[in-house]
Amino acid sequence: DSGVTQTPKHLITATGQRVTLRCSPRSGDLSVYWYQQSLDQGLQFLIQYYNGEERAKGNILERFSAQQFPDLHSELNLSSLELGDSALYFCASSDPTDTQYFGPGTRLTVL
Amino acid sequence: SQQGEEDPQALSIQEGENATMNCSYKTSINNLQWYRQNSGRGLVHLILIRSNEREKHSGRLRVTLDTSKKSSSLLITASRAADTASYFCATDQGGKLIFGQGTELSVKP
Repeated sequence: DSGVTQTPKHLITATGQRVTLRCSPRSGDLSVYWYQQSLDQGLQFLIQYYNGEERAKGNILERFSAQQFPDLHSELNLSSLELGDSALYFCASSDPTDTQYFGPGTRLTVL
Repeated sequence: SQQGEEDPQALSIQEGENATMNCSYKTSINNLQWYRQNSGRGLVHLILIRSNEREKHSGRLRVTLDTSKKSSSLLITASRAADTASYFCATDQGGKLIFGQGTELSVKP
């Protein structure tokens, strides 16, 4: 158990819909990262937040957005969902040694 | 797109044998991290090696880093069936991790 929690574990929805994925970092970690894992693209960095501020952006679609709240939990919002958005979405948090600890992931299926 | 390339893509060995996985990358890094993933599950952190380090050990794991060749290797000694998983290297570039495509390791009892 990494200490990073993610909800829900599984999400099944239809094309065009909007979903919210939630992540709580390890106690004391200020940074939160979001990654997407799909069969064709592999593991890809989406976005990083540090203490509520966006720190870095990767291959995140405009239909996706994220935020980190004052209690440091983070949410990833995915809208106008397409079949190709089906993937595992991971959240990670990092400690002062830069080690990133990953949550169990949310498996999103878009039908 | 992913920066890292891992070699081999798949590796099948017998219990007790050693397993070596290699990772190459293209740009400067702060550190390189190795992860294990059991089928469709979460990523488990194995080891972090900084750009100024050449070798690190953790239990049965040994990681080397050659920044001049932009490559790293992960050695698992005396493998066990429970080591069966996918192994990923990830280069830390300003905080974001760039992952390789992974090596699928199968350890047969």
